[in-house]
Amino acid sequence: KAGVTQTPRYLIKTRGQQVTLSCSPISGHRSVSWYQQTPGQGLQFLFEYFSETQRNKGNFPGRFSGRQFSNSRSEMNVSTLELGDSALYLCASTPDQSEGYTFGSGTRLTVV
Amino acid sequence: GEDVEQSLFLSVREGDSSVINCTYTDSSSTYLYWYKQEPGAGLQLLTYIFSNMDMKQDQRLTVLLNKKDKHLSLRIADTQTGDSAIYFCAERTVKAAGNKLTFGGGTRVLVKP
Repeated sequence: KAGVTQTPRYLIKTRGQQVTLSCSPISGHRSVSWYQQTPGQGLQFLFEYFSETQRNKGNFPGRFSGRQFSNSRSEMNVSTLELGDSALYLCASTPDQSEGYTFGSGTRLTVV
Repeated sequence: GEDVEQSLFLSVREGDSSVINCTYTDSSSTYLYWYKQEPGAGLQLLTYIFSNMDMKQDQRLTVLLNKKDKHLSLRIADTQTGDSAIYFCAERTVKAAGNKLTFGGGTRVLVKP
């Protein structure tokens, strides 16, 4: 079966711009989570969506937002980009609470 | 709160066993995971263990969980050069607010021929 698909793979943006990242979970998986990976802070939880509802949120500023659609696809948005937002953004999906999380290959965002 | 710690680096000879250790703090963790990350790639799920289990074996991988000491280990038997990567352990916490994974900082494993 197809894995978790994240688009785009690479992105370069300028400070102050906004960006939208997309994640298509494995078919049948209703839970989608987002994580930010940086060399300094490691892997940090951004948010979790389940059935179109944000179920949990990490400790990130309001510039980071997300949503989930009825087909379980999810998007995250970062507004007013800062240099420190440069990171690998990873999306993970899981069918329910008893399963492992499957991660996508990530979107590498560079802010210049 | 949740916190997960791992050693930074492990060097091992090809054919030997590797053991990667991890400690966590949240006693309400439900599942504990091991992920592998190769350069430029996402996270590959290797295995996971439910918090009421002591051990899980999956081919070359053996996971040991000491819940009393909040200690998790991953043993890779017959380590190959393709096992060179960064390994992350993670705990899954399930609370009223939802689920999340808390990751350790990763252990870089270098396999020498």
